Parts: sequence; C-alpha cells; structure tokens
Amino acid sequence: GQQVMQIPQYQHVQEGEDFTTYCNSSTTLSNIQWYKQRPGGHPVFLIQLVKSGEVKKQKRLTFQFGEAKKNSSLHITATQTTDVGTYFCAGDQGAQKLVFGQGTRLTINP
Amino acid sequence: DGGITQSPKYLFRKEGQNVTLSCEQNLNHDAMYWYRQDPGQGLRLIYYSQIVNDFQKGDIAEGYSVSREKKESFPLTVTSAQKNPTAFYLCASSMRTSGRETQYFGPGTRLLVL
Repeated sequence: GQQVMQIPQYQHVQEGEDFTTYCNSSTTLSNIQWYKQRPGGHPVFLIQLVKSGEVKKQKRLTFQFGEAKKNSSLHITATQTTDVGTYFCAGDQGAQKLVFGQGTRLTINP
Repeated sequence: DGGITQSPKYLFRKEGQNVTLSCEQNLNHDAMYWYRQDPGQGLRLIYYSQIVNDFQKGDIAEGYSVSREKKESFPLTVTSAQKNPTAFYLCASSMRTSGRETQYFGPGTRLLVL
C-alpha cells in the first residue's frame, strides 16, 4: 500500500548538536507536512511544503522538499532540550489524504 | 476557545467489551479522522469522514466502527472484534479532506485492556 518511510526511527544527541530526519515516498507527493509530538502530547503542525525543491526555515529548523517531490528532510541546528519529541512527516500520495511516516523520536542529553 | 477535545483521557476495556471514544470539535471543520498510534509505528488511519453522515475506512478499520451524525462529533467504537486494542487513539480534524489541509489533533485517549 501507500507508504511514507521515515529515518532514523530514533536519534539521541548532545544538546547543541545538529539533528536531521529524512522522509521518503515510493510515489510522487503533491505536498509534504511536518508535525511535532512532544512526549505525552499530540502531534502539532509545523509546516507544509508544496513546490519542488522548496526550502523553508523556522528559526533553527530547516525543511526541504526534494526536486522529484519524493523526499523531504527536517534539519535542526544546535538542538535545545525543547526540541525533544517525535517528528512526523506526512504526504499526500494522490488519494487526497495524508499518509504519515513512522516518526523520528529525538532525545537530547543536556 | 476553539479546538478539538477527546474523552476520556484513559479508558480501560475488559475482554469482550465494546468501548466508545469521544471526539468533539468546534472548529467548524468538515473532515474528521481517527488514528491509532503504537510505539514505533507512527500514525495509522482507522476511519475518516469528509462530511456529516459519511465516513470511509482507513488502513486498519477492522474491529472499529464510527458514526458522524453531527458535524462536531465523530465517536469511535472499539469492538470486541479488535483483538489488540491497547494503543493511543488520536482524533483529528481539518477544514476539508485534502492532503493540503492542516490537521488539528485532540489530546488523545489511551486505551488499555484489563
């Protein structure tokens, strides 16, 4: 079936280190969304990318959408303890509904 | 205060029992969704509804049922046919059923089997 793969599943970093999570789709996506779920919480929308090759920034977070619209990445520069949580990508593979990746759980050593 | 609410926060189910999880939104959204979250498996779509009195099966609908009698409400029933119901259940809504619409999630219900 439709799948959006996300790697790594887990990532542990020292505070101040960078972090990247990658999202890959087997088919072309019309768009990609990113969500963050804090421990014990619910997913909260971060951003949406629509155009091929699009790059968007939110403070220390940089989001990219691949040229072929099949992959995306989220990069966090100089992580802080507030960045802890699980980051999900979600894309529309043409069925007019979002397919979520498995998420990358980020833990940080202060 | 606009938002999406779920109740209860925790729910315990005995073997062979049906239980219903509540989801209410006052965002005036047409589309509503139910997801199941298991550790390490992300969000899996159970059912979704595009409009009142309409709903569609998602990827893991077996053992679950829903109704959409009111725009604001989309309750999920976990039936006795669902053999492994222990999970975190998340309800979400969006303006329309579209991959480009932001989904707003409720706080979730944790279901445990006794």
